[in-house]
Amino acid sequence: GAGVSQSPSNKVTEKGKDVELRCDPISGHTALYWYRQSLGQGLEFLIYFQGNSAPDKSGLPSDRFSAERTGGSVSTLTIQRTQQEDSAVYLCASRMGTGGDIQYFGAGTRLSVL
Amino acid sequence: AQSVTQPDIHITVSEGASLELRCNYSYGATPYLFWYVQSPGQGLQLLLKYFSGDTLVQGIKGFEAEFKRSQSSFNLRKPSVHWSDAAEYFCAVASSGSARQLTFGSGTQLTVLP
Repeated sequence: GAGVSQSPSNKVTEKGKDVELRCDPISGHTALYWYRQSLGQGLEFLIYFQGNSAPDKSGLPSDRFSAERTGGSVSTLTIQRTQQEDSAVYLCASRMGTGGDIQYFGAGTRLSVL
Repeated sequence: AQSVTQPDIHITVSEGASLELRCNYSYGATPYLFWYVQSPGQGLQLLLKYFSGDTLVQGIKGFEAEFKRSQSSFNLRKPSVHWSDAAEYFCAVASSGSARQLTFGSGTQLTVLP
């Protein structure tokens, strides 16, 4: 696609439910990132995928958060047993990979946990 | 660990006035620096980047930034602000190594008065 696509754009869920957020990176981009943007913490790195390598999960805040990337393209961020503090905008970015240094961002998914 | 400081949470300028947004970084090596802009409900759009070379970099929408190693600064400037520039601006530094995840400042909200 022309840009990074994220779905849904908005998600409202009840505390304790699981949610899945989807990211379609720019075609041909091998690097993919998830970030979280919240009022209290600003923009934080969550996880990074590069090709078929093991992901860098160093930014995940708890074991309730996980992500996968299928076929080196689409990625899904899963939050289990959501808490109110998970309410935030979740941004996905992709980068060309080797030789590419610019991350292109999607519009984000706004998650509200009631 | 790397960090980015944007000391101004909110700046108000009149349309046509000049603008300078401050950014200070902490990083051990030569940094990869970025300025992104975010309009309400939108993702992050890259304004400009500095990797090496000329310390004055030009970006889109008439923005420029100057890298000053001695001051650990990368301030964003625009000579004449337009009403459409009202948005939130983020300075970021990329990590070393292949991951290149971004560490963001807390952002500066720009209001433009008519």
